[in-house]
Amino acid sequence: DTAVSQTPKYLVTQMGNDKSIKCEQNLGHDTMYWYKQDSKKFLKIMFSYNNKELIINETVPNRFSPKSPDKAHLNLHINSLELGDSAVYFCASSQEGPRLAFFGQGTRLTVV
Amino acid sequence: GDSVTQMEGPVTLSEEAFLTINCTYTATGYPSLFWYVQYPGEGLQLLLKATKADDKGSNKGFEATYRKETTSFHLEKGSVQVSDSAVYFCALSEKTGANNLFFGTGTRLTVIP
Repeated sequence: DTAVSQTPKYLVTQMGNDKSIKCEQNLGHDTMYWYKQDSKKFLKIMFSYNNKELIINETVPNRFSPKSPDKAHLNLHINSLELGDSAVYFCASSQEGPRLAFFGQGTRLTVV
Repeated sequence: GDSVTQMEGPVTLSEEAFLTINCTYTATGYPSLFWYVQYPGEGLQLLLKATKADDKGSNKGFEATYRKETTSFHLEKGSVQVSDSAVYFCALSEKTGANNLFFGTGTRLTVIP
């Protein structure tokens, strides 16, 4: 059973489009995260939700909007995609803080 | 800035062979160090961690010792199994701003019977 699953695994889209990445965890964790991994493999947190409430919102363009319909899901919606948004996005969940998080497989987003 | 340099792969070993995957880091403070593993078709999982110098993290037969003098956190296992085939990522997290994780590029390990 996959603990943290995100879909799709690969996403290629044109500039200006709106797209969503979905994430679900079956671990019963209270906290979920979205990370962006840049070309240097640096994983930087974007958002963190605890029990459906936003608790961390790093400096991320307003075009990125997380949505948490319940504590097992945290989806990432991106409006007006730009070339610089191309990256691998990782969803994660934890019960003890981000250092002990379980990560999803990642979604490789390519904006052309 | 903070960074992690990891041994490039891929690495192919026979079952029961000894494994070492090298990892060195650069950090301004005193980071925590981690090894994550990604099995085929699955997400990243924490394998082991060490939070201060000379700490040894261990799990599932894997070990890594936090060496401040050599800024290293090499992953070792005495006898690998086919089920250890995966991609291994070294990572660090500063104790301040702990929500950021710096990952290495990953090393793919394939263990053949």
